[in-house]
Amino acid sequence: EAGVTQSPTHLIKTRGQQATLRCSPISGHTSVYWYQQALGLGLQFLLWYDEGEERNRGNFPPRFSGRQFPNYSSELNVNALELEDSALYLCASSLADSNQETQYFGPGTRLLVL
Amino acid sequence: QKEVEQDPGPLSVPEGAIVSLNCTYSNSAFQYFMWYRQYSRKGPELLMYTYSSGNKEDGRFTAQVDKSSKYISLFIRDSQPSDSATYLCAMKRGGGSNYKLTFGKGTLLTVNP
Repeated sequence: EAGVTQSPTHLIKTRGQQATLRCSPISGHTSVYWYQQALGLGLQFLLWYDEGEERNRGNFPPRFSGRQFPNYSSELNVNALELEDSALYLCASSLADSNQETQYFGPGTRLLVL
Repeated sequence: QKEVEQDPGPLSVPEGAIVSLNCTYSNSAFQYFMWYRQYSRKGPELLMYTYSSGNKEDGRFTAQVDKSSKYISLFIRDSQPSDSATYLCAMKRGGGSNYKLTFGKGTLLTVNP
């Protein structure tokens, strides 16, 4: 069974540009989560999508946004990039309706803002 | 006070040692507990998932949860160089709009041959 996939693996942008990151969940999973892992800060929750809707949002500014498509894949957009947005962005998926299910992570997209 | 506290290490042990990794938490609403392993420049990989107090064993790994003390542990027996990674504890509340995981900062473990 294929795991969570993410693209691209690496992304280099300059300050002020926009970045788009993509994620495909495990087959059958309807929930997608986005996390930011910056050096020294650990994994920080960004967004949760389920059935095409945004369900929860972490403490990040509105320039971090995303969407979930009918096939449950997801996109994270970061507008007006700042230097401190440089981080590993991780996508995870899970079965939405079960407390007994947890999240499975993809390999991440490493974003570098110059 | 942070919701989840985890000693960042680094922790260095000889091959074959027993390793103990720990996290404490402050929010009694956390009901589900996980340990992830993250190799350098990779995504986290789920190791253990528990939702009741007590021990859960899987091969060389044992997860322990003490909800009364708000304390969780991961024990690694007969540690191997391939266990060298960052270990992240994570926890979540439950259903509804609180599915997000709250992570510790991770403990960097090195097992020396």
